[in-house]
Amino acid sequence: DQQVKQNSPSLSVQEGRISILNCDYTNSMFDYFLWYKKYPAEGPTFLISISSIKDKNEDGRFTVFLNKSAKHLSLHIVPSQPGDSAVYFCAASGDTGANSKLTFGKGITLSVRP
Amino acid sequence: NAGVMQNPRHLVRRRGQEARLRCSPMKGHSHVYWYRQLPEEGLKFMVYLQKENIIDESGMPKERFSAEFPKEGPSILRIQQVVRGDSAAYFCASSQGSVGPHEQFFGPGTRLTVL
Repeated sequence: DQQVKQNSPSLSVQEGRISILNCDYTNSMFDYFLWYKKYPAEGPTFLISISSIKDKNEDGRFTVFLNKSAKHLSLHIVPSQPGDSAVYFCAASGDTGANSKLTFGKGITLSVRP
Repeated sequence: NAGVMQNPRHLVRRRGQEARLRCSPMKGHSHVYWYRQLPEEGLKFMVYLQKENIIDESGMPKERFSAEFPKEGPSILRIQQVVRGDSAAYFCASSQGSVGPHEQFFGPGTRLTVL
């Protein structure tokens, strides 16, 4: 049972344009949602997170939107740069203790064309 | 401030041997998580430890796998009698605590290959 779903395996965008990466979840008990970026042969790198009590969080070129009623979140990257090309994982967790473990989606491979 | 350290980066074992994966969390972090990534899959939670305690091992296979985080030294993930299906990338993450924003910082991973 996959609780966090990234249904599009890949996305290709032109440099300078917006990249929109989508993620859906099924567990309404999740309290936090996070995006990680991963290069080959490296560990995931934290990008941005959002609490379930918010609907938007922005950090530089990265903005995450959360729609709780639809159980959907998205990561917007504006403007996209070639260095953004990587695999992006959506993850979710509960609040405390044993619920702090991360549940990941399968990832989306983003390619930014120069 | 050094990040999360994992060693070895690559480990090759033959079926039936033991694999030991080590993880040193970031300085000041007392929470360690282990995840496994199979080919073409996302990361799957295995176990969550604090110093000398296993908090959640719900993602660990019931047999052959064990984990510890002693008072001194790194966290160890141990796989006994490895099988080909254990071939994967194993990632360790650490955090300062388990309350609030859950920014877990990941190590570079250990890539285990079972021949």
